[in-house]
Amino acid sequence: SQKIEQNSEALNIQEGKTATLTCNYTNYSPAYLQWYRQDPGRGPVFLLLIRENEKEKRKERLKVTFDTTLKQSLFHITASQPADSATYLCALDQAGTALIFGKGTTLSVSS
Amino acid sequence: DAEITQSPRHKITETGRQVTLACHQTWNHNNMFWYRQDLGHGLRLIHYSYGVQDTNKGEVSDGYSVSRSNTEDLPLTLESAASSQTSVYFCASSEGQEYNEQFFGPGTRLTVL
Repeated sequence: SQKIEQNSEALNIQEGKTATLTCNYTNYSPAYLQWYRQDPGRGPVFLLLIRENEKEKRKERLKVTFDTTLKQSLFHITASQPADSATYLCALDQAGTALIFGKGTTLSVSS
Repeated sequence: DAEITQSPRHKITETGRQVTLACHQTWNHNNMFWYRQDLGHGLRLIHYSYGVQDTNKGEVSDGYSVSRSNTEDLPLTLESAASSQTSVYFCASSEGQEYNEQFFGPGTRLTVL
């Protein structure tokens, strides 16, 4: 079965820097990969979706890359702000069925 | 505005009792999902449905059941609650293809004593 690893449980950076979060998967390459944000006590909120034939996708200060050779997605937040502090989850499909989620990386941005 | 709601938000029950968690969405989405979230495990899929009368088992379905009698609701039932089922439960919905973005509810914190 597909396995997902988000390399860091926690990431601490200073305001204004770029945060880079990693999502690695095993086995087959998914057709698409999603990133979600989760704040304490709340449900996850969708941020971005990237398909296997897309190398990069951007949305405002967010950028996602998808490298099917490395079996890895990178999630970047540029010019990070304390308000970006949250847990970020990656999720991918299982051969066309429901998504599976990584355990998440908790980002803390200090001012 | 369309939304997805869960009730109750908090529940304390005893071992062996039957518990039902409600999930209601007004997005008119065909797809609905139940997850549990525990420290060290992340979000794990319990059951999901791609339409009325359709239900499927997820990664951690033992001890749980769902039924889908209409588009808006997917109640999750714990047949005989166990302490190992103490967790935060999230319901989600999505439209169209299974890979589309999911909209999550606020969660239900369940404690089984």
